[in-house]
Amino acid sequence: SQQGEEDPQALSIQEGENATMNCSYKTSINNLQWYRQNSGRGLVHLILIRSNEREKHSGRLRVTLDTSKKSSSLLITASRAADTASYFCATDDQGAQKLVFGQGTRLTINP
Amino acid sequence: NAGVMQNPRHLVRRRGQEARLRCSPMKGHSHVYWYRQLPEEGLKFMVYLQKENIIDESGMPKERFSAEFPKEGPSILRIQQVVRGDSAAYFCASSVAENSPLHFGNGTRLTVT
Repeated sequence: SQQGEEDPQALSIQEGENATMNCSYKTSINNLQWYRQNSGRGLVHLILIRSNEREKHSGRLRVTLDTSKKSSSLLITASRAADTASYFCATDDQGAQKLVFGQGTRLTINP
Repeated sequence: NAGVMQNPRHLVRRRGQEARLRCSPMKGHSHVYWYRQLPEEGLKFMVYLQKENIIDESGMPKERFSAEFPKEGPSILRIQQVVRGDSAAYFCASSVAENSPLHFGNGTRLTVT
């Protein structure tokens, strides 16, 4: 089954800097979602972008989607220590009724 | 409005015993998903259920694993005759409709000794 792959696997930046994470997937999708996971907790939904959308914003988050390249990016602006977490992209197989998650990017924000 | 509730949070079983993991979805959600996560890895889909129906169990091992979501009560993921390789975090998620964002519980961490 298809799976999103995040890049980089780990990212460490200074507080206040911007963080960019990328996701690639393999087959056609209806939508792509980004989730955050704090250590020892469940995933929290951040943002959903549909296949006919190219860019979406939510607060300090900006997501882009390029269906021709089968890729998406998540930008977190003005990062804070509280943004330290793992970030996962998830895609739905067209016709299937489940989300498939990538391996995630571990983001560390240094104060 | 309570979120997705999973219990127990931690479960320790000896090899050969049974593990029963429970999940109560968010109020109003009729779609339940189970995922497994190994340390430092992403989530692997196991099964998708609606009330009294298994919709997709393509990610669930054919033997020893079963799941249900009865008309009344929580969804149950059951692992019979556990082995050390079953040790993982098991997450339940619910949604209000297909292809809607998932709401996750905090998981059950199963340790098989």
